[in-house]
Amino acid sequence: QQPVQSPQAVILREGEDAVINCSSSKALYSVHWYRQKHGEAPVFLMILLKGGEQKGHEKISASFNEKKQQSSLYLTASQLSYSGTYFCGTEIPMKTSYDKVIFGPGTSLSVIP
Amino acid sequence: GAVVSQHPSRVICKSGTSVKIECRSLDFQATTMFWYRQFPKQSLMLMATSNEGSKATYEQGVEKDKFLINHASLTLSTLTVTSAHPEDSSFYICSASWTGRETQYFGPGTRLLVL
Repeated sequence: QQPVQSPQAVILREGEDAVINCSSSKALYSVHWYRQKHGEAPVFLMILLKGGEQKGHEKISASFNEKKQQSSLYLTASQLSYSGTYFCGTEIPMKTSYDKVIFGPGTSLSVIP
Repeated sequence: GAVVSQHPSRVICKSGTSVKIECRSLDFQATTMFWYRQFPKQSLMLMATSNEGSKATYEQGVEKDKFLINHASLTLSTLTVTSAHPEDSSFYICSASWTGRETQYFGPGTRLLVL
């Protein structure tokens, strides 16, 4: 049930772009993206709720292809502050009031000067 | 808004003892709280989901009697690691949300070291 992420790790120079992919073998109801810095808790970036949706947050944006069961996170003109591990999470519907989220293995992103 | 705190941030204990970790939503009522475990350089592994006033739902492979979860109020959930062993050493993170809100808000985590 855990989604797959690629690449596993990436090193960028400041100003370069990166794409992180997230895919699932099961149907995706929504995709969550979080960033975690070393020793800290994950921080919410964005959530995509339906196929075809695209969202942006400053220079970080994401798309969701429901048919292909995948989502991509785009980081443009990367900054040093973008360094961290990026997790995608896929929602698993539950009968209770809140659906649980299963996180992918993470993509380590390092931005160097 | 939507701040979640955890206490303690770090704890070291002897093997065989029990440790309680608190997770509090400071500025909202958390109808649902999640407990995750994270080993170094690994992903967040969901341990259990708890809704206020009801029993927690544990993920497959997580021992209910070892990891006791109590969600007694809309602002507090506790995780008690009973009879802790060195293999229980990990980073434990809680998250919280409320009905109708898709986003989870994470606490700062608790680093547990069992000697």
